[in-house]
Amino acid sequence: SSELTQDPAVSVALGQTVRITCQGDSLTTYYATWYQQKPGQAPLLVFYGVDNRPSGIPDRFSGSTSGNTASLTITAAQAEDEADYYCSSRDSSSHNLLFGAGTKLTVL
Amino acid sequence: QITLREAGPTLVKPTQTLTLTCTFSGFSLTTTGVSVAWIRQPPGKALEWLALLYWDDDKRYSPSLRDRLTITKDTSGNRVVLTLTNVDPVDTATYYCAHSPYFDILRPFFDFWGQGTLVIVSS
Repeated sequence: SSELTQDPAVSVALGQTVRITCQGDSLTTYYATWYQQKPGQAPLLVFYGVDNRPSGIPDRFSGSTSGNTASLTITAAQAEDEADYYCSSRDSSSHNLLFGAGTKLTVL
Repeated sequence: QITLREAGPTLVKPTQTLTLTCTFSGFSLTTTGVSVAWIRQPPGKALEWLALLYWDDDKRYSPSLRDRLTITKDTSGNRVVLTLTNVDPVDTATYYCAHSPYFDILRPFFDFWGQGTLVIVSS
């Protein structure tokens, strides 16, 4: 079965740009979906597909894929962007859903 | 406005069966493409997808938990029930249900989530 690999932690200076990555073989077939989760809250969908940002999500959040690596880019990161970020996709063999282990983003 | 709310016991003893209910509003599970998933998160750990129920009553389960999970649609039409048999302390987690508005094999996503319900498995 497939796995999605994320860096455990990433930091970014306030106002700078940060890229959070997700690596997995299934990403050569399926798009990554990105969720933001703040402490004590349910996950929030922030980006999916090629260029899909749900209503209410700031346009500083964008996504991309290159080969087997998907990226969530936050341009001009804000303090409120500090959270855990999870990528999700499908398993390339079973088509079941997968989540990465999450990346803790710290905004300095 | 779409809302989902999970309900179930806070404390369950090992070997018992856990039954969780997701009560939703703002959409119909009979609308083509719509699905509801259950996802859990042990304290301090990552999200784990458990099960998915599609509008046409098709069901999908996590391979690692397939033998212990059942997802069903309540006859009321606005509830999805998840049962997990033979629970163990490692099943301690916050359990979420989530909505997907249409089936897209390439871009699976959940746009609305419940607040989650914490289940502790302990004797």
